[in-house]
Amino acid sequence: AQKITQTQPGMFVQEKEAVTLDCTYDTSDPSYGLFWYKQPSSGEMIFLIYQGSYDQQNATEGRYSLNFQKARKSANLVISASQLGDSAMYFCAGSYIPTFGRGTSLIVHP
Amino acid sequence: DTAVSQTPKYLVTQMGNDKSIKCEQNLGHDTMYWYKQDSKKFLKIMFSYNNKELIINETVPNRFSPKSPDKAHLNLHINSLELGDSAVYFCASSRKTLHEQFFGPGTRLTVL
Repeated sequence: AQKITQTQPGMFVQEKEAVTLDCTYDTSDPSYGLFWYKQPSSGEMIFLIYQGSYDQQNATEGRYSLNFQKARKSANLVISASQLGDSAMYFCAGSYIPTFGRGTSLIVHP
Repeated sequence: DTAVSQTPKYLVTQMGNDKSIKCEQNLGHDTMYWYKQDSKKFLKIMFSYNNKELIINETVPNRFSPKSPDKAHLNLHINSLELGDSAVYFCASSRKTLHEQFFGPGTRLTVL
């Protein structure tokens, strides 16, 4: 079984600044994947980025990057140059029996 | 083109009724899922099918029954609806298990 923990219920960031959303995981599986999803106030769930446990490099997708630290069992999402449209709930998720964290509500201030 | 679609988008019904939510994906994916998102935004997996075969069946009351007539469809039938069933139900699909998921728009179920 995999457990996903997001300890920040809410985060605030100034527009154009970078922000890090925390995610830690606990799994006994030797091979696993970690995902981040965005849920704007409109309700849809949008896939952002994926990190595989055997990937040598940290994943990046445009302004999104993953700070993957296997020894610490953390997979933090970094959003660079925040935009107003980044205001949303962000969920970290594990791959086996898909398990989601409780989410972090990000608000970007102008 | 809608990748993962769900109908209906909203469902308001009385306690004790039976209702169904339909899901279709046109992505050619092998795996489909049902999730329940509660009022605190907690998203919990309910079921998953891979090529029409049930592979995940989490602790869900047996009033909930999924049906996958083919790889592109995964429907959710709920019997004897209860107040606690009120939530947003999301359908999702992925190319294979362990791959990123594409979500439908959600169905907001309200049980009165």
